[in-house]
Amino acid sequence: EVQLLQSGGGLVQPGGSLRLSCAASGFTFSSYVMSWVRQAPGKGLEWVSSISLSGAATYYADSVKGRFAVSRDNSKNMLYLQMNSLRAEDTAIYFCAKRGCIGDVICYFEYWGQGTRVTVSS
Amino acid sequence: DIVMTQSPDSLAVSLGERATINCKSSQSVLYSSSNKNHLAWYQQKPGQPPKLLIYWASTRESGVPDRFSGSGSGTDFTLTISSLQAEDVAVYYCLQFYNTYTFGQGTKLEIK
Repeated sequence: EVQLLQSGGGLVQPGGSLRLSCAASGFTFSSYVMSWVRQAPGKGLEWVSSISLSGAATYYADSVKGRFAVSRDNSKNMLYLQMNSLRAEDTAIYFCAKRGCIGDVICYFEYWGQGTRVTVSS
Repeated sequence: DIVMTQSPDSLAVSLGERATINCKSSQSVLYSSSNKNHLAWYQQKPGQPPKLLIYWASTRESGVPDRFSGSGSGTDFTLTISSLQAEDVAVYYCLQFYNTYTFGQGTKLEIK
C-alpha cells in the first residue's frame, strides 16, 4: 500500500524558514518523480515544485522560485521541501504527491500525502 | 501558462440525477506524439487530500465507481457523475499536466 507520511509544518514568522518532510513507503521511491502541491485556506490547488528521479533536476512555480528548495534522499525514501523567506501568502496546507507513471515522464499526480499546515504570521 | 477554467463554480443536483462539470483549457493539452490528453480529475472532501478519479481525460482510476466518467479532447473536457450519491458531495478539480501543472478553480457539488 502506498503511503506518504508528512511532517514538519507549523507556525513561522514572516521571513522565517521551515522544512517539510514526506516519508514514502509501499513503492519504489527512486522510480518516481515527486512533487509538492499547496492549498491556501479555502482556496484551490497550486503546484509548487517537482524533483526528478535522482534529484538532479528540480522545478518550481514562479511564486516560490528562489525561496523554496526541493530535495530527496532515495536511500531513506524521503522527500523534503525547504522553505525560506516565508511570506503570509505562503500560508497553506502543503501536500506531497507521487506521480502515476514510472520514470521521468510527464504525468498526473496519483497519490497524495495527508497534508501539513504551514502558517506564516507574526 | 495554461489556464484551466471550470464551470460551474457550484452545482446542486438531486440524488440519483446526473451531475456534469466542465473544464476548459486556454490551449490544447493533447500530446500529438502519444495522442493522449494530459488532463486529470480529482475529488476533494473536507479535511482530506485530493483523490484521483480520472486521468488521460477518460481513464478511470482503479477502484473509482463506474458512475464517474471523463470525456473531451483538446481544450474542452467534462466530468460526469451518472447517478449522484450522497458520498459524492465534494469539490472537484481538473488538472492539466501538459505544461507543468495547473488546476481549475474547483467546482463544489452539493445535494439539491
